[in-house]
Amino acid sequence: AQKITQTQPGMFVQEKEAVTLDCTYDTSDQSYGLFWYKQPSSGEMIFLIYQGSYDEQNATEGRYSLNFQKARKSANLVISASQLGDSAMYFCAMRQEDSNYQLIWGAGTKLIIKP
Amino acid sequence: DAEITQSPRHKITETGRQVTLACHQTWNHNNMFWYRQDLGHGLRLIHYSYGVQDTNKGEVSDGYSVSRSNTEDLPLTLESAASSQTSVYFCASSEIQGAWNTEAFFGQGTRLTVV
Repeated sequence: AQKITQTQPGMFVQEKEAVTLDCTYDTSDQSYGLFWYKQPSSGEMIFLIYQGSYDEQNATEGRYSLNFQKARKSANLVISASQLGDSAMYFCAMRQEDSNYQLIWGAGTKLIIKP
Repeated sequence: DAEITQSPRHKITETGRQVTLACHQTWNHNNMFWYRQDLGHGLRLIHYSYGVQDTNKGEVSDGYSVSRSNTEDLPLTLESAASSQTSVYFCASSEIQGAWNTEAFFGQGTRLTVV
């Protein structure tokens, strides 16, 4: 069964606008972690932000924030004031005890920022 | 600065040949992982290791093997390369076993083409 679902294969966003990338997950564990990674066209995987299941506050890292809705099992990435350099693939991933603490990955969303 | 490096970055090989992809990390992490990335699948775990002499099969381990003789290296071997193994391969490492809040650090990736 798919544990991480990213429903947007691709998105176009105007530069300077905010963008929300969707991620829903499936788990019966109480303790888990959610991660977002960015993969630019150069290919490397860049860690962006982390949210723990017990964290009461939504995680923020600079222009990145995570809209964590635990009851809905969603962990959407919000990028404020998008820039051309934000064009990339974005992956949501989850680590949980049920999967032996291995990262389980979504299929990714390709984000293109238009000038 | 600590890093994780993969070599080669690109390789073309023929069906049936044995191929080894190298991964070397200077983070001194106990945990190392090999993933493959294919369109529409995100990253899928091939093999992983929690320490020297420890290796474990991941989701898509058939046709691949790893060995861990030291902390720094986890080479991935394709025993008899097949066209279905054409993919981008990522090596990763992380610090803590059995924890759900640990990010993974990735190498730059190896693009392997089997002809």
